[in-house]
Amino acid sequence: AQSVTQLDSQVPVFEEAPVELRCNYSSSVSVYLFWYVQYPNQGLQLLLKYLSGSTLVESINGFEAEFNKSQTSFHLRKPSVHISDTAEYFCAVTLRSNFGNEKLTFGTGTRLTIIP
Amino acid sequence: DVKVTQSSRYLVKRTGEKVFLECVQDMDHENMFWYRQDPGLGLRLIYFSYDVKMKEKGDIPEGYSVSREKKERFSLILESASTNQTSMYLCASSLWNRGPTGELFFGEGSRLTVL
Repeated sequence: AQSVTQLDSQVPVFEEAPVELRCNYSSSVSVYLFWYVQYPNQGLQLLLKYLSGSTLVESINGFEAEFNKSQTSFHLRKPSVHISDTAEYFCAVTLRSNFGNEKLTFGTGTRLTIIP
Repeated sequence: DVKVTQSSRYLVKRTGEKVFLECVQDMDHENMFWYRQDPGLGLRLIYFSYDVKMKEKGDIPEGYSVSREKKERFSLILESASTNQTSMYLCASSLWNRGPTGELFFGEGSRLTVL
């Protein structure tokens, strides 16, 4: 079975500073990887995903994540954060063999707090 | 705009009560899911359904059941609520595909408190 580890439960960062949220996965077979974001009092929404191709994937709001197979990691980065990035971020994984359904396994989440 | 609607944002129930959490999606999605979200534990899958009247257990199905009589509606049932079921419950849906795309659409959640 697959699993996801998010090493940091809380990350405080000053506004306009860079940030990295760490995610490591464990699986004996090939996987797809995702980052979801949950803004205060809202449901989760997909931020970005790695399915195949380029190992560096980007979101529309400046986040990027790099799939590193040798280190089994999918860390999320942003070079300069904004107050509006305050949210909880969840890394998720699913097996490539999951046919037709989206049965994701989520990490425990990282709460990103931006300090003005 | 795509939408997953959970009928109640906040509920307070007593131990032993039967609880229904309703979820409706307007995107004609085949797959629907119920997760519970707890601090420090992230999201854990309770049940999912990939078609009407079909259901599969997730990672923590004990104490829960589900019903999917119509494609757009997926209900989570707590037959006899207990205090350890106090949690945030999230419903999600996704389109059946030839392979996973990871695109789950979530509702805003139902926060259940069992006294």
